[in-house]
Amino acid sequence: GENVEQHPSTLSVQEGDSAVIKCTYSDSASNYFPWYKQELGKRPQLIIDIRSNVGEKKDQRIAVTLNKTAKHFSLHITETQPEDSAVYFCAASSGGSNYKLTFGKGTLLTVNP
Amino acid sequence: ETGVTQTPRHLVMGMTNKKSLKCEQHLGHNAMYWYKQSAKKPLELMFVYSLEERVENNSVPSRFSPECPNSSHLFLHLHTLQPEDSALYLCASSQDTQAGANVLTFGAGSRLTVL
Repeated sequence: GENVEQHPSTLSVQEGDSAVIKCTYSDSASNYFPWYKQELGKRPQLIIDIRSNVGEKKDQRIAVTLNKTAKHFSLHITETQPEDSAVYFCAASSGGSNYKLTFGKGTLLTVNP
Repeated sequence: ETGVTQTPRHLVMGMTNKKSLKCEQHLGHNAMYWYKQSAKKPLELMFVYSLEERVENNSVPSRFSPECPNSSHLFLHLHTLQPEDSALYLCASSQDTQAGANVLTFGAGSRLTVL
């Protein structure tokens, strides 16, 4: 089955700096890669996603890149703000299905003012 | 109320109890999911329902029994659980299970503690 590795497990940056979180996956049939943000005590919420026919997608300060050959994808957050502090999860579709997601273990991002 | 609502938010039960978790979505979605979130572990998919039909059982022990009476409601019936089943159980829904419509909206979760 699919295996998703996420690094780093914790990341601390200064406000205004950039943050990068990386994930690798094992299933070459994976075609959907969402990123979720979970603030302390709250539900996970989708922040950005990318499909396998696209190499990069950007939404304001957030961008995701996908390298299908190397089977890795990354989340980039620029000009970080304290409210970006949360746990970020990557995921990849698996088993050739669109709805079966395998998640990474998460990255705790702390943005220091 | 909009979105995905889960009840109860917190539940403590003994290993011999029978209890149920409830999820309700007001988004008009056709697919609903149960995920388990444990500390230091990835979110684990448990069950997927599409138009009230179970389409995925991710090797979940039989002490967890899902029920989907209609596309707006999803239950997780619990019986003879183990302490290691203590976790946050998240319900989610999506428009459907196809590409382009499979974005998940999560509920706030039910925090389960098994004594």
